[in-house]
Amino acid sequence: DIQMTQSPPSLSASLGDKVTITCQASQNISKYIAWYQQKPGKAPRLLIRYTSTLESGTPSRFSGSGSGRDYSFSISNVESEDIASYYCLQYVNLPWTFGGGTKLELK
Amino acid sequence: EVQLVESGGGLVQPGRSMKLSCAASGFTFSNYGMAWVRQAPKKGLEWVAYISYDGGSTYYRDPVKGRFTISRDNAKSTLYLQMDSLRSEDTATYYCTTERHGVMDAWGQGASVTVSS
Repeated sequence: DIQMTQSPPSLSASLGDKVTITCQASQNISKYIAWYQQKPGKAPRLLIRYTSTLESGTPSRFSGSGSGRDYSFSISNVESEDIASYYCLQYVNLPWTFGGGTKLELK
Repeated sequence: EVQLVESGGGLVQPGRSMKLSCAASGFTFSNYGMAWVRQAPKKGLEWVAYISYDGGSTYYRDPVKGRFTISRDNAKSTLYLQMDSLRSEDTATYYCTTERHGVMDAWGQGASVTVSS
C-alpha cells in the first residue's frame, strides 16, 4: 500500500496569509493526487485533482503542485470560510490512501 | 445536481450485520464507479470499497475483506454496503462517493454506524 505522509497536522493562520500543506507518498504516484476540504460535521469536498486541476467552483486562491513523491497544496489570502481540515489522497493505485489530514485554524 | 443520500446506519452489536444504502440522483448512475469511504470519530478518512460502473469489479481494503460486500443496482440507482461480523473498529461515518476519472468526487452526507454492546 502507498503511504501518504501529510504535514503539518495543524496550522494556525491569520486572514490574508498564505499557507502550504505537503504530502509525501511512499512511492512515485505520477501526479495522481487530489485534495479535499472538510468542514466540521460535513462531507469532504473535492477541491483539486491530478495535482493541480481545480474543480468547478474551487476558488483560484487554492492551488496544488508537485511530482514524483512530493506534493503541496496552498491557499493564498486565507479567508474565514477556508477554516477546515484538508486531506490529500493518492489514487494511482488501489487501495486509495489519504494523508492524515491538516486542521487549519485562525490565529 | 448530483445527490447521494445514505441510509441504514445506527447502533449494532459486535458480530452482527448491517446494510447501508446510497440513493443516487442527478447523474447517470450506471456510467460511474462508486466507492465507500469511512471516518472514525475524530479521525481521518479511509477508503473502504470500490465497485466498477457495471458491478463487474470490486475491491476492498484488507481489514474488511471477507466481511463487507459492496454491490449496486443500476436500475434503482442505488449503491449498497453489506457489513457482516462487525467490530468496534468499524465504528465510523460511512460516505458513499462517485468515482469519475479515477478520483472520488461527489460525496453523500454520511451514515453513522456505531458498533457497541
